[in-house]
Amino acid sequence: EIVMTQSPATLSVSPGERATLSCRASQSVSSNLAWYQQKPGQAPRLLIHDASTRATGVPARFSGSGSGTEFTLTITSLQSEDFAVYYCQQFESWPRTFGRGTEVEIK
Amino acid sequence: QVQLVESGGGLVEPGGSLRLSCAASGFSFSDYYMTWIRQAPGKGLECVSYISTFSTYTSSADSVKGRFTISRDNAGNSLYLQMNSLSAEDSAVYYCARAVAGSSVPYYFDYWGQGTLVTVSS
Repeated sequence: EIVMTQSPATLSVSPGERATLSCRASQSVSSNLAWYQQKPGQAPRLLIHDASTRATGVPARFSGSGSGTEFTLTITSLQSEDFAVYYCQQFESWPRTFGRGTEVEIK
Repeated sequence: QVQLVESGGGLVEPGGSLRLSCAASGFSFSDYYMTWIRQAPGKGLECVSYISTFSTYTSSADSVKGRFTISRDNAGNSLYLQMNSLSAEDSAVYYCARAVAGSSVPYYFDYWGQGTLVTVSS
């Protein structure tokens, strides 16, 4: 199965600053990658699919990039509601696999 | 609006069984692949099983193959997960999720329920 590795595990960012999250696949997943946001006690929420397409209703401050094995989720000008855990997920092959997550915390 | 509501979780002894349900509303249920995804306490996400629109295709993770069975009732807008031979490693929050799919497999998951907690312990 494809292993997804996210870094860093925790990212401390001040409100209004930019956050850059990384996701690496153990083999190429082309652009078959999604990003999710999860807040405590809530289900994950789809943010990005196909590596760079924002899901319906997702603010423009969230952007995704990359292809192959290296991907980035960028959150510009962090808002209070953006502090959460972010997961990447590949859909190149079954089983679909997720990274272990990056927690974005308030600095 | 799309709603997915899971039920059926609880405490079960090792070796026991449990049946999870997911009630769907706000969309044409029979048009979508559905999945069960679990999250063990403090751990990441694992895609457990998926089922195609008319149950033609199903698949499960190796960790649950032969023990878990996914099914659906399109007339009743419901998704199910029958879990047998449960062990402590199966303890997790189980989410029902709607999948965007193609080529007979789910791609990514655009709506999730709030989850139901399964605890396997004696």
